[in-house]
Amino acid sequence: GAVVSQHPSRVICKSGTSVKIECRSLDFQATTMFWYRQFPKQSLMLMATSNEGSKATYEQGVEKDKFLINHASLTLSTLTVTSAHPEDSSFYICSAMIGSDSYEQYFGPGTRLTVT
Amino acid sequence: LAKTTQPISMDSYEGQEVNITCSHNNIATNDYITWYQQFPSQGPRFIIQGYKTKVTNEVASLFIPADRKSSTLSLPRVSLSDTAVYYCLVGDQAGTALIFGKGTTLSVSS
Repeated sequence: GAVVSQHPSRVICKSGTSVKIECRSLDFQATTMFWYRQFPKQSLMLMATSNEGSKATYEQGVEKDKFLINHASLTLSTLTVTSAHPEDSSFYICSAMIGSDSYEQYFGPGTRLTVT
Repeated sequence: LAKTTQPISMDSYEGQEVNITCSHNNIATNDYITWYQQFPSQGPRFIIQGYKTKVTNEVASLFIPADRKSSTLSLPRVSLSDTAVYYCLVGDQAGTALIFGKGTTLSVSS
């Protein structure tokens, strides 16, 4: 099946710094990627939809200036958490879709962010 | 998007068949039903997808009645490694994000 990777798998940063998380589709081209956030013992919450070559679409309540998304190529989307705070500590998961007419999404392994 | 309702948790023993039912009363004509599995600190993993009747693959079966207002994920002979959260999702448009509900936490004991 299609493989999606994320890097890093876990990161610890100090409050006020920025952290970049990469999401790559390894064996397919993904015109659309999605970013989710998951707090402990909760479900995944959609943060934004990332389309290659265009601006990301953010869900209500998600600050676009704080969570910068760049989808520069058909295999790479990045999420940058700017000026991170402890409340941003979470599990961040990306997913990618094969083609615009697909119903199936492939998820990355997730990135555990801890802000101290 | 159609809302889904699943049991919060289920318990089972190794070797048993587990059936997890999901309600989606407002499912639309174009909606597909998809099930994902998630282990702690991992991304969700696709299990099975269907539109109507029955779908079977190497890991599970999906039963969808004619009215499509519910679906049942069937896991044959579960093992300890099947302990996970199982999400039922209903999508009405290709290319759109999946909206996750609370999921069902399945605990398998020996």
